Amino acid sequence: AQSVSQHNHHVILSEAASLELGCNYSYGGTVNLFWYVQYPGQHLQLLLKYFSGDPLVKGIKGFEAEFIKSKFSFNLRKPSVQWSDTAEYFCAVSLNTGFQKLVFGTGTRLLVSP
Amino acid sequence: DVKVTQSSRYLVKRTGEKVFLECVQDMDHENMFWYRQDPGLGLRLIYFSYDVKMKEKGDIPEGYSVSREKKERFSLILESASTNQTSMYLCASTWGLGDTQYFGPGTRLTVL
Repeated sequence: AQSVSQHNHHVILSEAASLELGCNYSYGGTVNLFWYVQYPGQHLQLLLKYFSGDPLVKGIKGFEAEFIKSKFSFNLRKPSVQWSDTAEYFCAVSLNTGFQKLVFGTGTRLLVSP
Repeated sequence: DVKVTQSSRYLVKRTGEKVFLECVQDMDHENMFWYRQDPGLGLRLIYFSYDVKMKEKGDIPEGYSVSREKKERFSLILESASTNQTSMYLCASTWGLGDTQYFGPGTRLTVL
């Protein structure tokens, strides 16, 4: 069965530290890749997505992610986090063909201390 | 901006009650979804609908049913609520099934 793994369940960083959150998937075909974020008390919203083209994608609020096909990975990065980045982050994957639904990882809770 | 609204933010029900959760989207999206979100488990798909009156089971459909009579509205029904259905329920909609999903604010359901 297709699956999405986020190995970091909880991450605690100080402001200005660099962030990298891991995401690996187990699909064999062409995929669409997403990172969603849920700020405390807010809707889940799209941070960035990759469908095709440049494997380094940039999203909102200074986030970026790199698709490495050979490693089945789509890691999320930010060079310098802020207190306002405290949130839960979800990686999600869908196959790029046919009638395919989105599969989410279990999420990573990020706490940024001021 | 896409807007997805859910009928309640918080709901408390008793075991055995029939529960209706409603979701409305205003972007004429073909596809709508119901997820439940639990700590450490992420989002799990309950049901989705790709057209009016059409539905497909997701990963955890047991104990739930859905209804989509109009394109903009997708309802989740708990026929007989149980305590293990205490959770956050999220509705989402999208154009294409693999495309960006737009989420509602969620309904936190507690079953006593």
